This record gives sequence, structure tokens and C-alpha cells, in this order.
Amino acid sequence: AQRVTQPEKLLSVFKGAPVELKCNYSYSGSPELFWYVQYSRQRLQLLLRHISRESIKGFTADLNKGETSFHLKKPFAQEEDSAMYYCALSGRASGSRLTFGEGTQLTVNP
Amino acid sequence: DTEVTQTPKHLVMGMTNKKSLKCEQHMGHRAMYWYKQKAKKPPELMFVYSYEKLSINESVPSRFSPECPNSSLLNLHLHALQPEDSALYLCASSLTYEFTSGGNIQYFGAGTRLSVL
Repeated sequence: AQRVTQPEKLLSVFKGAPVELKCNYSYSGSPELFWYVQYSRQRLQLLLRHISRESIKGFTADLNKGETSFHLKKPFAQEEDSAMYYCALSGRASGSRLTFGEGTQLTVNP
Repeated sequence: DTEVTQTPKHLVMGMTNKKSLKCEQHMGHRAMYWYKQKAKKPPELMFVYSYEKLSINESVPSRFSPECPNSSLLNLHLHALQPEDSALYLCASSLTYEFTSGGNIQYFGAGTRLSVL
């Protein structure tokens, strides 16, 4: 069975501080990992996927197959980063179906 | 154009009403999805259409009836809903449903916020 775990429901940091949103997964095989973000009153949108290996809005995420993790990091958080973040997984056996984690609500305080 | 458009944005209905939610995309995507999302929870998959055929029904009650008239449109027909069906209903699309290396990105609509009285 495939599963995504985001251990923190809530995360609060101050502006300018580093932030790390944790994501661990369980999957037999090579999954595709994604981070989706949902800003207040906006649609759910893709932030990053592991295959791209790029930085979006200052965020990066590295797939660590040994630790089965795909943590999202940003060195200096901004107030506009406040949002709900979902880690998600898809795999060969389930097509493009996404398995979502429970989400982490990030609040960046001024 | 990477947009999925959903109408209406808000819907209030009684338990005896019949209503429909609509979703449209013009990205040439051949997979379309319906999700239900409760506040501060992840989206829950309801249905998947692949090449206009229903591929997945996640044991959704029959009071929800999906329809895919063509490759750009997806409807969700609602009848005799319960108050617990109140939620944000999201539509999404992806290039295909089949697994591809790198993963198929799903593009989400803004949703229809449904209240059942």
C-alpha cells in the first residue's frame, strides 16, 4: 500500500527564518513525488515535483530514497508563503492517481 | 492556457434538489477527476475519467452521478444530497491517466463550494 505522512499539521515560523516541511512516504518501487500548495481562497496548485529538481518561489525538495523522504525546504520564509502544503505521491501501479498526505498548515509570522 | 474552470463557484441546495457541477479544460487533457475536500483536509478522490470513460469510482454514493460529455467537459450531477455532503468539490485534469516517468501533473480548478441544507 502507498502512504504519505506529513507529521506536522501546523508549523509556525517567523519571517526570514528557515522552514522545513516534512514528508515521508511508503511505496514499493519508484514513486513520483509532488508538493502541492493551497493558498487561502486559491486553487490547489503544483509547487514542485521531484523529477524537475528546480527551485520554485525559493522552495526546494530532494527525494531521499534511503530515508523515503521528500522534505520541502526554504532558507528564508516570507509571509506570502503562509498556506496549506500537501505532499503527494503517484506510482506505476496507480497511474496518475495521487495519494495525498494530511497536509501541513504553514504560518509565517511578521 | 493551463486553467481548469469550474462553475458555479458556490451552490446551496436542499436535500430534495437536483443540481449539476460543471468543469471545463482546454489543455487537451484526456484524464479528468472529481475530488471532495473538507476544510483543512486533503482532497479525496471520487471519480476518474480516462478518454471520456469512467475508470475509477471510489465507492461514491449513487446520489453523485458523473458524466463526461466530451474530452473537455466533466459534469457531476447531484440528487438527494445529505448535509454531510457539504464540502468543496474540486475538478482536476492531467494529460493522461497512465503512469509516466516524472509523473503526470494534475491541474486543479478553483472548486465549487457546496452547502446542503
